[in-house]
Amino acid sequence: GAGVSQTPSNKVTEKGKYVELRCDPISGHTALYWYRQSLGQGPEFLIYFQGTGAADDSGLPNDRFFAVRPEGSVSTLKIQRTERGDSAVYLCASSRPGGTQYFGPGTRLLVL
Amino acid sequence: EDQVTQSPEALRLQEGESSSLNCSYTVSGLRGLFWYRQDPGKGPEFLFTLYSAGEEKEKERLKATLTKKESFLHITAPKPEDSATYLCATLGPETSGSRLTFGEGTQLTVNP
Repeated sequence: GAGVSQTPSNKVTEKGKYVELRCDPISGHTALYWYRQSLGQGPEFLIYFQGTGAADDSGLPNDRFFAVRPEGSVSTLKIQRTERGDSAVYLCASSRPGGTQYFGPGTRLLVL
Repeated sequence: EDQVTQSPEALRLQEGESSSLNCSYTVSGLRGLFWYRQDPGKGPEFLFTLYSAGEEKEKERLKATLTKKESFLHITAPKPEDSATYLCATLGPETSGSRLTFGEGTQLTVNP
């Protein structure tokens, strides 16, 4: 079946702009996760949804970052007033409750 | 706070030269240790989950083992297509939610 999909695959923006990154989880997976991966590092947790609600958002670095999942399926990660330090690969994963997390291909964000 | 350390950072092998990658962790109440493979420009691909000390899992040329302090990923007679970054991650106690804590990865290169 189809895996986790993320759009766009690449995003270039200017410092101070607003960006939205989208994640489509595997069908039937109720849990959805966002991670951020900098070059040469392992992924770092940002936020976890169980259904429509954010069950754990303790990894979001500051209030410029926000994520939603209004219908319990697709999720959007929103970054306001982007900074050069936000440049990274943003990874989305999904799972059944308590199950293995399967990752999408990521969105490569570059803030100029 | 969970800590995961992988070694070596990079490893070069000749085709057929077996070796092991190490993942040391400091986690109270480990609920699972995960190995993922990541190819350049792609998201992490799930390989194994280990749940308790003494457990072993195998898949083709890869075998993962787990003790109370570390996990090893043994690669037997590797081929060039095994070249990738290998990530390990821990799932901590219930109080830490569903986040995975990743190591920085081992970049494996297998030369023909």
